[in-house]
Amino acid sequence: DTAVSQTPKYLVTQMGNDKSIKCEQNLGHDTMYWYKQDSKKFLKIMFSYNNKELIINETVPNRFSPKSPDKAHLNLHINSLELGDSAVYFCASSQDRGFSYEQYFGPGTRLTVT
Amino acid sequence: SQKIEQNSEALNIQEGKTATLTCNYTNYSPAYLQWYRQDPGRGPVFLLLIRENEKEKRKERLKVTFDTTLKQSLFHITASQPADSATYLCALGRDYGGSQGNLIFGKGTKLSVKP
Repeated sequence: DTAVSQTPKYLVTQMGNDKSIKCEQNLGHDTMYWYKQDSKKFLKIMFSYNNKELIINETVPNRFSPKSPDKAHLNLHINSLELGDSAVYFCASSQDRGFSYEQYFGPGTRLTVT
Repeated sequence: SQKIEQNSEALNIQEGKTATLTCNYTNYSPAYLQWYRQDPGRGPVFLLLIRENEKEKRKERLKVTFDTTLKQSLFHITASQPADSATYLCALGRDYGGSQGNLIFGKGTKLSVKP
């Protein structure tokens, strides 16, 4: 059983397109996250949701819009893709917000913008 | 600004030896420090969490220390095995009274254990 799953695994698209990445967790966790890992391997938080409510929105272009239809799902929609958006995007979840909780990561979605 | 540094990008050791990875931070007072393992093409996997009032935490062959005076955490793998080869990430976080602060990750140290 996959705890945190993401689709697609790979995404190749052209500049200017709009794309979505889906994330689901079956752990019953209340908090979900989106991270971006760039070519230099830095893992940086983008968004955090707790019980479908946005609680962290880092300095991310408003072309990125997260959507949480229920607490088990957190999708990421990206408009007008740019070359600099190429990276690996990880979804994660934790039992609750706060850093006494370990985070469970999905397998990642490698986005390549050409 | 808050900064995390992991001592080196790569660490090569011989099987059976103890690997020691370092995580230093500045301009920050974390309440928790976590260590994760990341294999190529995969998401990070949680290993250990240590609180600011804990000096040391152990799990099987893993040991983490947390020195808030030195602003440093050490991560040890004893009796290392080739299967321990991976990138190890430290991450710091601090609760902000009911609202969530950021979990800041270091760049990671790539550990290679040679047979």
